[in-house]
Amino acid sequence: EVQLVESGGGLVKSGGSLRLSCAASGLTFSTAWMSWVRQAPGKGLEWVGRIKSKIDGGTTDYTAPVKGRFTISRDDSKNTLYLQMNSLRTEDTAVYFCRGGSKDWGQGTLVTVSS
Amino acid sequence: DIQMTQSPSSLPASVGDRVTITCRASQSISSFLNWYQQKPGKAPKLLITTASSLQSGVPSRFSGSGSGTDFTLTISSLQPEDLATYYCEQSYTTPVTFGQGTRLEI
Repeated sequence: EVQLVESGGGLVKSGGSLRLSCAASGLTFSTAWMSWVRQAPGKGLEWVGRIKSKIDGGTTDYTAPVKGRFTISRDDSKNTLYLQMNSLRTEDTAVYFCRGGSKDWGQGTLVTVSS
Repeated sequence: DIQMTQSPSSLPASVGDRVTITCRASQSISSFLNWYQQKPGKAPKLLITTASSLQSGVPSRFSGSGSGTDFTLTISSLQPEDLATYYCEQSYTTPVTFGQGTRLEI
């Protein structure tokens, strides 16, 4: 059974930083394309970005609102995905989901950015 | 970016109804279209990939069709547990984009 467990969410002030982690098990993490998806309170789903597997180049892509502020990385030796979030804004407040491929999702971690 | 437009935004329905949700892409995405179901407080659940492939374990009352720019999700006979919000997602190109969601109200 695939398990994706996010951690690192919390309350941070505007302009601050936060790093989310996603611990993966039950899948071949090193070959998985991993992504982050967020959902603001009461709103729809928004794709944040993706990192390919190293064998596929390990490159990253981001949605425009987070480009230059957020960085996705992975540690295949720890089966862990990361999301480094800098220069946080109030509009970044959301539940952040880790996703493996299209099928496997974590339970989400809440990030609240206060003004 | 490819815009995904779902309709309707909300849909009142009754148990046993046949329900259809549509999703339109702003440009052709071939069949790179996924459908998700999300219940309150939960992560989305993948129902259908590549426009019409039903995920293992998903009830056969769910089906998907379409290609290019126009897609549909159909629930043949609505059940109480289908109360949820449904999202389409295009994975044809980055940035990946979602529709705004369709809330089913039973």
